[in-house]
Amino acid sequence: SQQGEEDPQALSIQEGENATMNCSYKTSINNLQWYRQNSGRGLVHLILIRSNEREKHSGRLRVTLDTSKKSSSLLITASRAADTASYFCATAEARETSGSRLTFGEGTQLTVNP
Amino acid sequence: GAGVSQSPSNKVTEKGKDVELRCDPISGHTALYWYRQSLGQGLEFLIYFQGNSAPDKSGLPSDRFSAERTGGSVSTLTIQRTQQEDSAVYLCASSLASGLDQPQHFGDGTRLSIL
Repeated sequence: SQQGEEDPQALSIQEGENATMNCSYKTSINNLQWYRQNSGRGLVHLILIRSNEREKHSGRLRVTLDTSKKSSSLLITASRAADTASYFCATAEARETSGSRLTFGEGTQLTVNP
Repeated sequence: GAGVSQSPSNKVTEKGKDVELRCDPISGHTALYWYRQSLGQGLEFLIYFQGNSAPDKSGLPSDRFSAERTGGSVSTLTIQRTQQEDSAVYLCASSLASGLDQPQHFGDGTRLSIL
């Protein structure tokens, strides 16, 4: 079953604007990851934030994690048309037999208009 | 190759037929995962292999689904007696190890259509 719920389901913005996507989850996690998927392609890992971290940056990406609210947000600053893609959050919990299997949300479809 | 390779990229078959999907992970990656992605949805975990350990099959939806990984490298996912609800994109991922902080590297998937 899907653990994560992403909000919004779809987001359309103009190039240069910032895009914020949110993710909520239900269980205790060890880390939360964000992935990007271009149409017809596989997923690409963007950033990982551990449960004891609150904020992380990577280039134009900023991720926050609030474990008390079981939520995370992904901010893309100064968006570009090439950022158009689906963005998924995924949570990882360590289980003896499951390694770091990921539980994915349903994704946010981001469209950046030139 | 540099990335995870999956074949075929597309497969169309009739209901009731068996299909085999192949995944070539990144060389040296010991962990391998199969996921299923239905149209417009997130990914559903199917099965996980780590080295020579017994695979975690807890995500397989029915006994028509099976997977194996030979020699700790290439993996095949087999679906027997396919049904229309099996239509989806099947994604394979590999990671350097099964540690918590290992990002997963995905192939482009096999788009399976059951007529």
